[in-house]
Amino acid sequence: SQTIHQWPATLVQPVGSPLSLECTVEGTSNPNLYWYRQAAGRGLQLLFYSVGIGQISSEVPQNLSASRPQDRQFILSSKKLLLSDSGFYLCAWTVLEGDYGYTFGSGTRLTVV
Amino acid sequence: GDSVTQMEGPVTLSEEAFLTINCTYTATGYPSLFWYVQYPGEGLQLLLKATKADDKGSNKGFEATYRKETTSFHLEKGSVQVSDSAVYFCALSGNTNAGKSTFGDGTTLTVKP
Repeated sequence: SQTIHQWPATLVQPVGSPLSLECTVEGTSNPNLYWYRQAAGRGLQLLFYSVGIGQISSEVPQNLSASRPQDRQFILSSKKLLLSDSGFYLCAWTVLEGDYGYTFGSGTRLTVV
Repeated sequence: GDSVTQMEGPVTLSEEAFLTINCTYTATGYPSLFWYVQYPGEGLQLLLKATKADDKGSNKGFEATYRKETTSFHLEKGSVQVSDSAVYFCALSGNTNAGKSTFGDGTTLTVKP
């Protein structure tokens, strides 16, 4: 079966520290992968998406970057966190044109202090 | 570009009441439409979907019909339960842009016993 793993579940980091969030997918090949951020009480903001290894598209300019070193691995990073980076980060995947909808990970709650 | 407009919340209902959450969309072509549900502290889960006009998606007592003439995909449930309390997101996938979905801002539903 197809599953998606996202970790860690919760993270508290000081301002200026680095960040690495990881997402892996099992049970499928060549998925489209996405990173979303959800601010408290708000909707979803697409940060990055990837249609293949090493292919990253950024939706908004910001303090974050993404990488896809393997087919089913998607990493969200930052060299220096800002207070405004706090939020709930969600990884998701879908296949082909997205007719099947997204499967989301369980999310990472990031608090920058 | 594509957009999704959802009924603003929060929505508070008594148990066994009828639920409607309105969703309208703007998109080129023939998008697929989705409803997702997010329980507190969790990622989003796909609730139901419809991929062409007049399709009805259904799951767990929830239904939504793809209305191309009114560009709508309203979510309904005949009798809500306390366990339905969550945030509901309407979304569309344009099928032509790396499978990216456009999400509404979410509607918070609280069901009281």
